Amino acid sequence: DGGITQSPKYLFRKEGQNVTLSCEQNLNHDAMYWYRQDPGQGLRLIYYSQIVNDFQKGDIAEGYSVSREKKESFPLTVTSAQKNPTAFYLCASGPGQGLNQPQHFGDGTRLSIL
Amino acid sequence: AQKVTQAQTEISVVEKEDVTLDCVYETRDTTYYLFWYKQPPSGELVFLIRRNSFDEQNEISGRYSWNFQKSTSSFNFTITASQVVDSAVYFCALSEAGGYNFNKFYFGSGTKLNVKP
Repeated sequence: DGGITQSPKYLFRKEGQNVTLSCEQNLNHDAMYWYRQDPGQGLRLIYYSQIVNDFQKGDIAEGYSVSREKKESFPLTVTSAQKNPTAFYLCASGPGQGLNQPQHFGDGTRLSIL
Repeated sequence: AQKVTQAQTEISVVEKEDVTLDCVYETRDTTYYLFWYKQPPSGELVFLIRRNSFDEQNEISGRYSWNFQKSTSSFNFTITASQVVDSAVYFCALSEAGGYNFNKFYFGSGTKLNVKP
């Protein structure tokens, strides 16, 4: 089945540690997105990528980094510079072009501080 | 300013009641799309419906219906005869052109619906 796979489902980070969240899609979508969800704040865009080897900062990129070496993969690294990383992280993909195309979401990764 | 506003943070109803979730959006584009997503406790956002800016006909799908009014920039979602399984967070979203043939998505802050038996 086509879809988006995020791993791990739960992740714990020690202080000063970088952690990487995985996102893989087999929908052949050009665009991929990372969102952060905090209680009561909806979804905030961290980074997005329109095409392989290209990505742009979203609204809250500080303390995060991404790469897009393959069309299927868009990993997110939460660096030690992100002082408040505890949140639910959602990866999404979409065709990029076409206003009528919805974004498709993974199951999310819940990140907590140890 | 918020592009998409969902003023209701949390709503609680008793099963079989009707409930309406409000969504107000802001855009200067003439062509755009509006979406509703459901986020059950499992976390994944599930796409429910989209409407384009040129189609103001209301839509009904089973117990779900959507009312799009450009005059008030609103895209409200009504669940008729609510059920416990409808309990979730519901997000309204706006898609507009972001340049370079790329569409930008804006999500509201979500409305948490609690349906009690």
